[in-house]
Amino acid sequence: GNSVTQMEGPVTLSEEAFLTINCTYTATGYPSLFWYVQYPGEGLQLLLKATKADDKGSNKGFEATYRKETTSFHLEKGSVQVSDSAVYFCALKLSGGYQKVTFGTGTKLQVIP
Amino acid sequence: KAGVTQTPRYLIKTRGQQVTLSCSPISGHRSVSWYQQTPGQGLQFLFEYFSETQRNKGNFPGRFSGRQFSNSRSEMNVSTLELGDSALYLCASSDPSGRNTEAFFGQGTRLTVV
Repeated sequence: GNSVTQMEGPVTLSEEAFLTINCTYTATGYPSLFWYVQYPGEGLQLLLKATKADDKGSNKGFEATYRKETTSFHLEKGSVQVSDSAVYFCALKLSGGYQKVTFGTGTKLQVIP
Repeated sequence: KAGVTQTPRYLIKTRGQQVTLSCSPISGHRSVSWYQQTPGQGLQFLFEYFSETQRNKGNFPGRFSGRQFSNSRSEMNVSTLELGDSALYLCASSDPSGRNTEAFFGQGTRLTVV
């Protein structure tokens, strides 16, 4: 089956620190990969995506590169802000037809001033 | 373009009751999926509807059901509520026929069973 494994949290960083949240996946086909973010009391917002190998998704200073050879999609940001404090979910979705989104367990990020 | 709208945002129900949650997808999206989010189990897939037909189903008991209307709006029903059904229920819409594969989520309905 399909699965997503992401690093356990919580991750606590000082403002302007470098962020990496690791994510690896297993899939029966060729998935699209996503990072979603969830702020307290909110639903999920799509942060970035990549649909094929070596694609780099980016948004709001966050980046992730689709690495097929290592089945990874690590999230990075060069300088985090307090407003980035949230839970981050790595996810995959196979193409074609009616495919569900498979999520990782989420990584809580807390940025302190 | 309006996003995914879920109503109500919050619900408190008593054990044994039933509840209906509503989801209006993004205009033009014909696929609606439902997910349950709990601290212990994370995000779990409930079911997906497309063109008023259930296309995919997760591993939940029959107390959880849904439907989709001709305008793509969807409802989810939970009967005989249990304390363990307390969760954030998220609805997502997508366009399986389009080039973009991502799912767009609503704000969720927070259900508390007492």
